Amino acid sequence: QKEVEQNSGPLSVPEGAIASLNCTYSDRGSQSFFWYRQYSGKSPELIMSIYSNGDKEDGRFTAQLNKASQYVSLLIRDSQPSDSATYLCAALSGGYQKVTFGTGTKLQVIP
Amino acid sequence: SAVISQKPSRDICQRGTSLTIQCQVDSQVTMMFWYRQQPGQSLTLIATANQGSEATYESGFVIDKFPISRPNLTFSTLTVSNMSPEDSSIYLCSVRRDHTDTQYFGPGTRLTVL
Repeated sequence: QKEVEQNSGPLSVPEGAIASLNCTYSDRGSQSFFWYRQYSGKSPELIMSIYSNGDKEDGRFTAQLNKASQYVSLLIRDSQPSDSATYLCAALSGGYQKVTFGTGTKLQVIP
Repeated sequence: SAVISQKPSRDICQRGTSLTIQCQVDSQVTMMFWYRQQPGQSLTLIATANQGSEATYESGFVIDKFPISRPNLTFSTLTVSNMSPEDSSIYLCSVRRDHTDTQYFGPGTRLTVL
């Protein structure tokens, strides 16, 4: 069974610090990877996608992908209390064209 | 991105009844999905809603319990039939824009079954 694994947290960081969220996936055929942010009581919101090995930066967010290690991460610089949410890692399998979601990591940014 | 609306946003239903959830997208999309998110859990794919043909259900989900309609490329419904308290969950419509691989989610329907 194709899986995406995340530490459920909570991950607590002080305001202004870097938050590092990690994810591993089991399907080597996965080609596309996503990070979603989900506030309590809300639906998931796409914040980053990454397709190639290396880093991809968008504002305070940096996604990192290492296909050899089957590892995806999300760094949030200058963390703000408004970043407090659950972050879902997801992978799109090439063969089945279905997105598999991890269980999410809850991030708490402490003012 | 995609503008997706769902109705109702929430409902409280009695055991044994059925609820139909509607999903409307702002433009035509081929790929439309229905997910369930139980309290404190991640997203579980129920089915892929196919336009013009029967939905494709994931393991553990059956058409009799979760009938899906997809009359056109902007609209779909999910019915939760013969509900029990175990069906209490958030139901989410999701779409993938054609020629892309990014998925977007509707606001969700929060269902409570008593």
